[in-house]
Amino acid sequence: GNSVTQMEGPVTLSEEAFLTINCTYTATGYPSLFWYVQYPGEGLQLLLKATKADDKGSNKGFEATYRKETTSFHLEKGSVQVSDSAVYFCALAISSGSARQLTFGSGTQLTVLP
Amino acid sequence: NAGVTQTPKFRILKIGQSMTLQCTQDMNHNYMYWYRQDPGMGLKLIYYSVGAGITDKGEVPNGYNVSRSTTEDFPLRLELAAPSQTSVYFCASRPSLAGAGELFFGEGSRLTVL
Repeated sequence: GNSVTQMEGPVTLSEEAFLTINCTYTATGYPSLFWYVQYPGEGLQLLLKATKADDKGSNKGFEATYRKETTSFHLEKGSVQVSDSAVYFCALAISSGSARQLTFGSGTQLTVLP
Repeated sequence: NAGVTQTPKFRILKIGQSMTLQCTQDMNHNYMYWYRQDPGMGLKLIYYSVGAGITDKGEVPNGYNVSRSTTEDFPLRLELAAPSQTSVYFCASRPSLAGAGELFFGEGSRLTVL
């Protein structure tokens, strides 16, 4: 079956530090990969996506590269801000179609201190 | 600018009580979903719908029911609430042409069963 494994949290960083949140996946077929962000008290929002191997998704200074050889989609940001404090979810989907095929990781809590 | 709206935001139930979580979206999306989010866990799909009159079970449907009489509304019914149903519930939607992973989420409903 399909699964997503994220690095354990919580992660605490100082403002302007470099961020990496690891995500690896197991999937049958050729998945699309996503990062969602959940700010305190809010629902999840799509942060970025990549639909095929070697694609790089980017948004708001965050980046993630779809690495088929290592089955990974690690999230990175060069300089985090206090406003980036949130929970980050890695997810995969097998093509378009049934909602059954969207699988989430367990989430990583990020806290950025001023 | 409403998007996906869930009510109530918070609710406390006694064991054996029933209730309905409401979800409505104003984006004319065909696909709608209900997820639950338990502490430290990823989101689990409860039920989903691909259009009015069509619903299907997700990963964890036991103890829940849904209906989809209109494109806009997708209520989730809890019958005979149990402590195991204590969770945060998220409703989400997407248009038919979007990929399976590109969802729009509501802000969540926090349910406690005592």
